[in-house]
Amino acid sequence: DTGVSQNPRHKITKRGQNVTFRCDPISEHNRLYWYRQTLGQGPEFLTYFQNEAQLEKSRLLSDRFSAERPKGSFSTLEIQRTEQGDSAMYLCASSPGGVRETQYFGPGTRLLVL
Amino acid sequence: SQQGEEDPQALSIQEGENATMNCSYKTSINNLQWYRQNSGRGLVHLILIRSNEREKHSGRLRVTLDTSKKSSSLLITASRAADTASYFCATDPGGSYIPTFGRGTSLIVHP
Repeated sequence: DTGVSQNPRHKITKRGQNVTFRCDPISEHNRLYWYRQTLGQGPEFLTYFQNEAQLEKSRLLSDRFSAERPKGSFSTLEIQRTEQGDSAMYLCASSPGGVRETQYFGPGTRLLVL
Repeated sequence: SQQGEEDPQALSIQEGENATMNCSYKTSINNLQWYRQNSGRGLVHLILIRSNEREKHSGRLRVTLDTSKKSSSLLITASRAADTASYFCATDPGGSYIPTFGRGTSLIVHP
């Protein structure tokens, strides 16, 4: 069990550019979640996968955001035409599914949009 | 809107003292979880308490749940400087699989 990993850990980009983040969950975890966290706030839910199916998306997830989990393993979160308001920590978490709801979080990707 | 809200927002204590944080929520839940987050890091799961449980212990942690008041508390006994972190409660409103987090309590333990 190597834990949830996220890459990159930090990303600085200019407004209008596209960025993509990757999350590798704990192997055999069925559920994968993406959250966004800004300073002084708790994580805000963005989207959730059960295996490869994206089952729910938050209204926070504008059409500039897209997430995939093509083979039910790793996931990517892409932000197109970034805005300064997208600056935040993007957290990924995975859980085994079933009745075991505990989420295991990755270290996060900190995005700064200039 | 936030389902869970932690109180206080900030707590500053001396090493060895106990720290108590509270969480209130709005709708029925199946379980409530507490997480810790060190500055700039991901969240670490501390403890899960189910709606049919009233109290749970894990090491120096004690969590209580009062579903009639829709509230939970996290007690850290004999605090250490290493306990300095933000603490979040997360609930699953309506039994969804999507934990909803509060804004957290920032705990500082002075050595």
